[in-house]
Amino acid sequence: AQKVTQAQTEISVVEKEDVTLDCVYETRDTTYYLFWYKQPPSGELVFLIRRNSFDEQNEISGRYSWNFQKSTSSFNFTITASQVVDSAVYFCALSDYLYNFNKFYFGSGTKLNVKP
Amino acid sequence: DAEITQSPRHKITETGRQVTLACHQTWNHNNMFWYRQDLGHGLRLIHYSYGVQDTNKGEVSDGYSVSRSNTEDLPLTLESAASSQTSVYFCASSVASGSIIHEQYFGPGTRLTVT
Repeated sequence: AQKVTQAQTEISVVEKEDVTLDCVYETRDTTYYLFWYKQPPSGELVFLIRRNSFDEQNEISGRYSWNFQKSTSSFNFTITASQVVDSAVYFCALSDYLYNFNKFYFGSGTKLNVKP
Repeated sequence: DAEITQSPRHKITETGRQVTLACHQTWNHNNMFWYRQDLGHGLRLIHYSYGVQDTNKGEVSDGYSVSRSNTEDLPLTLESAASSQTSVYFCASSVASGSIIHEQYFGPGTRLTVT
């Protein structure tokens, strides 16, 4: 069965600290896609990144970086030099190709509090 | 700019009433989805559609129905609202392009309270 686990329910950091949000997934399929979304206090869901299972290259976008490791079924998200505007709930999601094409399974989310 | 809208943004209804939540997208996406968001559960898929006249049940479809008569709209109906359906509802859409799973773009959400 497909499953996404975000074990960190809530994390608090002080501005400028680095923080890593963990995402562990389960799937029977060898082809799948992983996603991260941000939900700020205003409530909308903002797409951050998509990664497919054949591309294990890490990605960096400004202060954001993602580490995809198939060996540990993890797709972790790091924010470098965090800012107050990074305060949000972050969701990891999985969609596999064979059994649940285009259907997203979301983790329960990690709430990040960045304090000034 | 293309967008996805939901209405109403807030709704209070009584147990047993039928409620319809609207979702309209101007992305011209074939795929559309309805989720509910509850504390501790993330987002859970209610129904989805891959095109006009196509609808499918998701993980938590009991008590809900959808219909797709055009590309732009996927209304979600609660046949007989129950207190357990108090939640925030999100509509989403995505590109359909064969073998690639694309990101979903979400509407602003509808907060539904069933009293």
